Amino acid sequence: AQTVTQSQPEMSVQEAETVTLSCTYDTSESDYYLFWYKQPPSRQMILVIRQEAYKQQNATENRFSVNFQKAAKSFSLKISDSQLGDAAMYFCARSGGTSYGKLTFGQGTILTVHP
Amino acid sequence: NAGVTQTPKFRVLKTGQSMTLLCAQDMNHEYMYWYRQDPGMGLRLIHYSVGEGTTAKGEVPDGYNVSRLKKQNFLLGLESAAPSQTSVYFCASRPTAYNEQFFGPGTRLTVL
Repeated sequence: AQTVTQSQPEMSVQEAETVTLSCTYDTSESDYYLFWYKQPPSRQMILVIRQEAYKQQNATENRFSVNFQKAAKSFSLKISDSQLGDAAMYFCARSGGTSYGKLTFGQGTILTVHP
Repeated sequence: NAGVTQTPKFRVLKTGQSMTLLCAQDMNHEYMYWYRQDPGMGLRLIHYSVGEGTTAKGEVPDGYNVSRLKKQNFLLGLESAAPSQTSVYFCASRPTAYNEQFFGPGTRLTVL
């Protein structure tokens, strides 16, 4: 099975500080996509950022950026200037180029932001 | 656009009862998916569809059936509910295989 692993069940950060969430994955495909989704207490799944595996440049979206290490199969999410609204469960996910877009999710990391 | 909607939002069943969860999307997406979310396990794929009239099994299909008679709707059925099917169910859709998925708000199902 091609898995996605998030080794940090819980993380915490002070407001305005920076935090990094870790994710590793397993794949035999050369063409795939990686995603970070945010799930606040409302339960809604919200896309935070995505990375195409063929792109060497790390994706960024405002305060959110990734560190994509293809050879190490690592895909970490960095949140800068953390805000109270960033508190949520964060899921790392992978979809393969030949898998009809099916997502494989990690177990999730609960992020707490302290004021 | 309403995006992806799910009906109902909450449901309590007794063991052995049946029910159908409805997912609807108004974005003309080809691909649709059903996931279940359990504590500590992330989301797992139950069934998916790559177009109207097609369905396929995902990672955890046992105990569920699906139908995609219309492009905009994807139904998930439980013929004989079991306590192990207590979960939060998410529907998602995407226009092509390489774009991000758009998720519905989820359905919390409890089987007693």
